[in-house]
Amino acid sequence: GAVVSQHPSWVICKSGTSVKIECRSLDFQATTMFWYRQFPKQSLMLMATSNEGSKATYEQGVEKDKFLINHASLTLSTLTVTSAHPEDSSFYICSAPAGGLTDTQYFGPGTRLTVL
Amino acid sequence: KQEVTQIPAALSVPEGENLVLNCSFTDSAIYNLQWFRQDPGKGLTSLLLIQSSQREQTSGRLNASLDKSSGRSTLYIAASQPGDSATYLCAVRAGANNLFFGTGTRLTVIP
Repeated sequence: GAVVSQHPSWVICKSGTSVKIECRSLDFQATTMFWYRQFPKQSLMLMATSNEGSKATYEQGVEKDKFLINHASLTLSTLTVTSAHPEDSSFYICSAPAGGLTDTQYFGPGTRLTVL
Repeated sequence: KQEVTQIPAALSVPEGENLVLNCSFTDSAIYNLQWFRQDPGKGLTSLLLIQSSQREQTSGRLNASLDKSSGRSTLYIAASQPGDSATYLCAVRAGANNLFFGTGTRLTVIP
């Protein structure tokens, strides 16, 4: 099946710093990618939809100025957590559909962010 | 808004038992339903994808069914093994490419 990678797999940073997380589709092109966050023992919550060549669309309650998304190419989307705070500590997962609405969506391995 | 619920939240079974995980969703207007497995601290692995026009899908010891009209899906695992221990998530695709996830069932298979 299709492969989606994320980098880094984990990151620890100080409060107030910015952290960039990369999501890559390795063997297919993705005009759309999705960013989720997952708190401990909870399910995944969609944060935003990353669109190649246009602005990302954010879910209600997600601050677009805090979570900057750039879909630089058909295989790369980045999520930058700006001025991170301890409450931003979470597991961030990206995904990309291999095809249209009826196709499987493939997920990256996730990035564990810890803000001290 | 689509809401997805999974019951039970946690399940422990002895090795070798057959088991059923349940998923329900509130809006039957879906494109497909997908079952995932998530190991602790890891990403998601897709197990089975059922299109809205299908009733079931099978892969090895796994069988997933879909009753769209009643808003229900089940994941049947035959002859469970300790390696099956993980959290199982169901998710429905209701358009615009995004998925609505259930709360998950944490499965423990006891050797």
